[in-house]
Amino acid sequence: KAGVTQTPRYLIKTRGQQVTLSCSPISGHRSVSWYQQTPGQGLQFLFEYFSETQRNKGNFPGRFSGRQFSNSRSEMNVSTLELGDSALYLCASSRRDSSYEQYFGPGTRLTVT
Amino acid sequence: DQQVKQNSPSLSVQEGRISILNCDYTNSMFDYFLWYKKYPAEGPTFLISISSIKDKNEDGRFTVFLNKSAKHLSLHIVPSQPGDSAVYFCAASSPGNAGNMLTFGGGTRLMVKP
Repeated sequence: KAGVTQTPRYLIKTRGQQVTLSCSPISGHRSVSWYQQTPGQGLQFLFEYFSETQRNKGNFPGRFSGRQFSNSRSEMNVSTLELGDSALYLCASSRRDSSYEQYFGPGTRLTVT
Repeated sequence: DQQVKQNSPSLSVQEGRISILNCDYTNSMFDYFLWYKKYPAEGPTFLISISSIKDKNEDGRFTVFLNKSAKHLSLHIVPSQPGDSAVYFCAASSPGNAGNMLTFGGGTRLMVKP
């Protein structure tokens, strides 16, 4: 079974631009979560989607948004990029409604210049 | 406010010996704990988990211990192998979350020397 895939793997953007990252969960998984990893803050929860509905949201500004499609694929968007948004963005999927065991993709490395 | 803490940023162990990685938490509502391993340029890989109703869970070379009164958990790797060299994250979740939301510690870099 294919794992979680994320595209693109690497991205360079300029301050003020916006970016969209994509995540395809493991087949059959309906829950998709997004995390931001930075050297200073570690792994921080952004939001989680289940059946196209956002169920949880972390403590991030409104510039960070996401959505989930009917096929469980998810996208996250960051508008008005800031230098501090440079990070590894990780997507994770889970099989059941509340399954704590999440399976992570390789991440998208975003660099904002 | 860091609810999950891994106070040792790094740990070095000789091959064949035991590796013990520690994690402390402050939120008494956490009821499920997990350990993930992360190699560079890859996403975290799930290793082992434990429910708060247990105090030990074992899977091959990996054992997780939970001390609820101390709000402390540890991951034991026996015997340690060079391939175990990676960053290890502990994570926790609480039943109050309507879904899947994990709170991660800052990670511990384990180096296993041949």
